Amino acid sequence: GQNIDQPTEMTATEGAIVQINCTYQTSGFNGLFWYQQHAGEAPTFLSYNVLDGLEEKGRFSSFLSRSKGYSYLLLKELQMKDSASYLCAVRGDNTNAGKSTFGDGTTLTVKP
Amino acid sequence: EPEVTQTPSHQVTQMGQEVILRCVPISNHLYFYWYRQILGQKVEFLVSFYNNEISEKSEIFDDQFSVERPDGSNFTLKIRSTKLEDSAMYFCASSIWGNTEAFFGQGTRLTVV
Repeated sequence: GQNIDQPTEMTATEGAIVQINCTYQTSGFNGLFWYQQHAGEAPTFLSYNVLDGLEEKGRFSSFLSRSKGYSYLLLKELQMKDSASYLCAVRGDNTNAGKSTFGDGTTLTVKP
Repeated sequence: EPEVTQTPSHQVTQMGQEVILRCVPISNHLYFYWYRQILGQKVEFLVSFYNNEISEKSEIFDDQFSVERPDGSNFTLKIRSTKLEDSAMYFCASSIWGNTEAFFGQGTRLTVV
């Protein structure tokens, strides 16, 4: 089966850095995705990791350790608009069927 | 920028009625998906579709659900006899390949009364 754990809520201050962790136990591994979801809207893609290490994309970075079943999303220079839910999603099957299993999401609140 | 489009944005239906949710995936994408999100809960995988057939489906995707690509652009999800618990936001998504990121449409909010 698939199990993905993320903190339920986090709070941070505008301009600061925040790290959102995700741990997973899955049958097989074919990539980990981070999505941002504002309330009432669709998830939007942020990052993709399939190999160990850090992927940097502007203010957002994502790290993966496959041996530890662990990833984090790092958000720098936080802005008020970054208040949203951040979803960790794992493709746990060694197939190309494309199915992703999502975590419950971490609701980030950015305060002035 | 290409995007996944879904219609309608909101659909209200009576329990037991059939509904069809429509999606136009990004044109050069080969993999199509339906996900659902019950209010306040996580995004759940329903089905993936590739090369005109279902490639994978979840336990949620029972005999009441079906998908179809009736032409070269549309991708539909049909719920044959809706139940109250089918009320959710239904997201269509597409990706170029099965191991690349999926792009989501804005969703159809289905309310079953």
